[in-house]
Amino acid sequence: DQQVKQNSPSLSVQEGRISILNCDYTNSMFDYFLWYKKYPAEGPTFLISISSIKDKNEDGRFTVFLNKSAKHLSLHIVPSQPGDSAVYFCAASGDNFNKFYFGSGTKLNVKP
Amino acid sequence: ETGVTQSPTHLIKTRGQQVTLRCSSQSGHNTVSWYQQALGQGPQFIFQYYREEENGRGNFPPRFSGLQFPNYSSELNVNALELDDSALYLCASSLVFTGELFFGEGSRLTVL
Repeated sequence: DQQVKQNSPSLSVQEGRISILNCDYTNSMFDYFLWYKKYPAEGPTFLISISSIKDKNEDGRFTVFLNKSAKHLSLHIVPSQPGDSAVYFCAASGDNFNKFYFGSGTKLNVKP
Repeated sequence: ETGVTQSPTHLIKTRGQQVTLRCSSQSGHNTVSWYQQALGQGPQFIFQYYREEENGRGNFPPRFSGLQFPNYSSELNVNALELDDSALYLCASSLVFTGELFFGEGSRLTVL
């Protein structure tokens, strides 16, 4: 059962514009959400997270929005840079953090 | 600060064989998790270890087993390998009850 879904396998954006990556989940018990970035031949690296008690978290160029009623979260990257080109995974966990569910990823290509 | 390291990076096995993958946690981390990432998919949770005990398990059969050692390093063992076990196996360390996972680069297993 795919509890976390990323329905867009790829996204192409011009440098300097906004990138919006989307993620949907089905389990209302999820308490914590994260975004990871993965370059080829490297493990995923943590990008940003949000707790279910918040609806927005910002870190520099990266902002994550959480809509609990819609069971939807999104990652905004502004402005997008070519170095942001990577696969982005969203992930979700309950409040004990002993199991994380990942989406299938969105490959972002930022064109110079 | 030493990051998460995994070995071997690549290996090829035949169906029915057994494999052991190894992981050294990031310094100061007491929890280790293992994930399987098939081609085109997101990481799938296998299990987590804390204080040398299994602390959560995903939907994987018992032929997937693990160990955590007193120095927090870990092993993933897979018996009776099947073709579908071909994947990237990711190890992630963290502090218990925290949300950020630190991943290694992975071990690429091919089963022929």
